[in-house]
Amino acid sequence: AQKITQTQPGMFVQEKEAVTLDCTYDTSDPSYGLFWYKQPSSGEMIFLIYQGSYDQQNATEGRYSLNFQKARKSANLVISASQLGDSAMYFCAMRETQTGANNLFFGTGTRLTVIP
Amino acid sequence: GAVVSQHPSWVICKSGTSVKIECRSLDFQATTMFWYRQFPKQSLMLMATSNEGSKATYEQGVEKDKFLINHASLTLSTLTVTSAHPEDSSFYICSARDPSRGQMNEQFFGPGTRLTVL
Repeated sequence: AQKITQTQPGMFVQEKEAVTLDCTYDTSDPSYGLFWYKQPSSGEMIFLIYQGSYDQQNATEGRYSLNFQKARKSANLVISASQLGDSAMYFCAMRETQTGANNLFFGTGTRLTVIP
Repeated sequence: GAVVSQHPSWVICKSGTSVKIECRSLDFQATTMFWYRQFPKQSLMLMATSNEGSKATYEQGVEKDKFLINHASLTLSTLTVTSAHPEDSSFYICSARDPSRGQMNEQFFGPGTRLTVL
């Protein structure tokens, strides 16, 4: 089974509007971390936001917020006030703590295009 | 913030040759580094986990004799693609773990290396 599922291969959003990128995960580990990364065409992976499985509040980082619904195993990324520079690939990732491996499992990504 | 560099950023080589990619943590000591591979328009797939001073742990399906990993110091891990073939052409990304940062943002990515095998 896929550990991270991103069902939206591509999304379009009008500049200055908000957009939600979906991510669901599958794990039996009670302790895990969820990450979102942005990958522009240059290829570098840019960390955006993190949510720990025991965090009570949804994570926020500037224009990025994470809609964490633990019972549904979803961790959607919300980008508010979209900018042209937000156009990129976005990856959701998970790290399972108890396995001790510390590696990240990535979803297939969502390509976001911001329309002027 | 923590910086991870990769060298070279791109490389073109002939089939049958070997290529070495370096991953360096510039301002922290990385006890663990990870090597990922990304095909065009696809996700990152973990190839191996590299621990300083010990043998790398390879993911299922990754040939350890083809993808040699050496993590000789706390700031350097190398990936050598031996006898490269066109199907090895890909984007290789490393990440380094800074254990002092705790759980949140403890893994930092390099800028990637684009390998093209002719």
